[in-house]
Formats: sequence, C-alpha cells, structure tokens
Amino acid sequence: GQNIDQPTEMTATEGAIVQINCTYQTSGFNGLFWYQQHAGEAPTFLSYNVLDGLEEKGRFSSFLSRSKGYSYLLLKELQMKDSASYLCAVRDSNYQLIWGAGTKLIIKP
Amino acid sequence: GAVVSQHPSWVICKSGTSVKIECRSLDFQATTMFWYRQFPKQSLMLMATSNEGSKATYEQGVEKDKFLINHASLTLSTLTVTSAHPEDSSFYICSARGRADYEQYFGPGTRLTVT
Repeated sequence: GQNIDQPTEMTATEGAIVQINCTYQTSGFNGLFWYQQHAGEAPTFLSYNVLDGLEEKGRFSSFLSRSKGYSYLLLKELQMKDSASYLCAVRDSNYQLIWGAGTKLIIKP
Repeated sequence: GAVVSQHPSWVICKSGTSVKIECRSLDFQATTMFWYRQFPKQSLMLMATSNEGSKATYEQGVEKDKFLINHASLTLSTLTVTSAHPEDSSFYICSARGRADYEQYFGPGTRLTVT
C-alpha cells in the first residue's frame, strides 16, 4: 500500500528553527509537495521537490532524497503566524496526490 | 498565481435536503478538478477526480449516487451532496490542475453542517 508518515505534532519557540520530516512509500513518484493549512482554511502551497536536494524559498526550505523516500521542511526564524498544520503529499505514478496526515506545529513565544 | 473559488463558503442545511457546492478556476482552465473532504483534525481525503467533459472517478468507499460531480466546463465543477445527513457534515475542498502546471490550486473550502 501507499503510505506517508510525518509526526503528528511538534512544538517550537518563536525565532527558532524547526524541521518537519516526511517519509513515504508510494507506487511511483512524480514529485513531493508541502502545504500549510491553518485551522478552518484550505491548504496553501509551500514547496515542490522532484529532484534530490534542497529547495530554498525565503524562510522555508524543503529537502528531498528519493533513494531514501524522505523529505523535510525546514522553517527558520519562526513566527507566531507559522502555527499551522503542515501537510506532506506525494504524487504517485497515476499523478494522484497521496496525503500525509499532517504535522501540527505549535509556536510558543 | 492561479485562483480557485468555491461557493458557498459555509452552508447549514436540514437532514434530507441536497446541497450544491461550486468550484471555479478564475484565471486558468482546469482540465482536472479534485474534490476532497476533511473531518476535524484529520487529513484531506480525496473523494473524486473529475476531468472536463467526462464522468468523475470516485475513490473507493465514496458513493457516486450521493456525491454527484459535474465538470461541465474547463472553469467549473460542482459537487452536489444529495439527501444530506449529519454525518456528511464536513469541510469540502476542491482543487484544480491546469494542463501545464504541476501544482494543484486549492479553493478556500466549504463548511457543510447538516442538522
């Protein structure tokens, strides 16, 4: 079966750095996505990785290792508004998005 | 970036009635649209995938006669929840993908409450 694993919840301090990991086992791979979802709202796109390596976009970076079936989302200089759920999703061989359950990130002052 | 709208943003209906949710791609043509459902504190669950001009493909366990999907044009897809029951209360989110884009663009979601 297809499976995406990420921690259920993480806590970090304002101004700090946090890394959210995601491991996956899917039938085929056509890219990995990270989305941010605030409570009661729809997900918003953060990043897309299809090749191995690090993609940096401002305070957010995403890393992919296809051989290990592993990705992480790195958030720097954390702000209170970063408190949200972070969803990892992998597009499989049928171009369907397989979703992780999401990681709830709690930022403390 | 591409914008997807949903209407209504929230709706309350009585048990047994039907509710229609619209999903529109405002500035691009969406060859494929996806309908998701999300219960509180749970991840997105794909209900169905629809391609313009053809029948929707439903995920296992989703009743096609209860959740009617119509993708009549490249900018509009509708989800009709027929004979809604309280257990259908959920957050329904659509997303759209264009011909050339690798990304899915999400609508703001519709919160359905069935009393």
